[in-house]
Amino acid sequence: NAGVTQTPKFQVLKTGQSMTLQCAQDMNHEYMSWYRQDPGMGLRLIHYSVGAGITDQGEVPNGYNVSRSTTEDFPLRLLSAAPSQTSVYFCASSYSKIRGHYGYTFGSGTRLTVV
Amino acid sequence: GNSVTQMEGPVTLSEEAFLTINCTYTATGYPSLFWYVQYPGEGLQLLLKATKADDKGSNKGFEATYRKETTSFHLEKGSVQVSDSAVYFCAPYSGGYQKVTFGTGTKLQVIP
Repeated sequence: NAGVTQTPKFQVLKTGQSMTLQCAQDMNHEYMSWYRQDPGMGLRLIHYSVGAGITDQGEVPNGYNVSRSTTEDFPLRLLSAAPSQTSVYFCASSYSKIRGHYGYTFGSGTRLTVV
Repeated sequence: GNSVTQMEGPVTLSEEAFLTINCTYTATGYPSLFWYVQYPGEGLQLLLKATKADDKGSNKGFEATYRKETTSFHLEKGSVQVSDSAVYFCAPYSGGYQKVTFGTGTKLQVIP
């Protein structure tokens, strides 16, 4: 099925560990982004990319790195996990906004707990 | 950037009741509006959009009404079902490379 695939669905990390959250889309979307969802705070943008080789920071980028080597993949890296990064992470994609914005396609999320 | 305020939930309704969820925004110009729905344990799904003032988007019995004079928009459904229980997010978008701003979400609980 076409869409956005996120892995893993659940993850428990110890403080200081590193990991990569994977995101892949097969819709040839130029734009990809990562959000975190926390109770009472809605969705907050972490990083985004408008195309392969181009990334930029969102509103809460600290503690996270991204890269975009292909159109399909946009992994999110936590270099040294902290309890404050306990959250649900969503990857979203869309066509380039310059074509007009028609809404995002979201992945099913990764629930991360840092202990 | 835009700021968005959604009505707080949870909103609890009986089946077949009328639903209204409000959302107000501050933005430059007149944005397009998007409503997303998140069912328990899932990611957000695009529910509907309206792309111009006084336009009504509609999907699955839901309608979005956009009032530019009050910079607000509303999600409505005439008769809710238990399966509509979810969290609803509004998200205005002002065009170009501007980022989409999401509201904090309104939780809807529909009881039989």
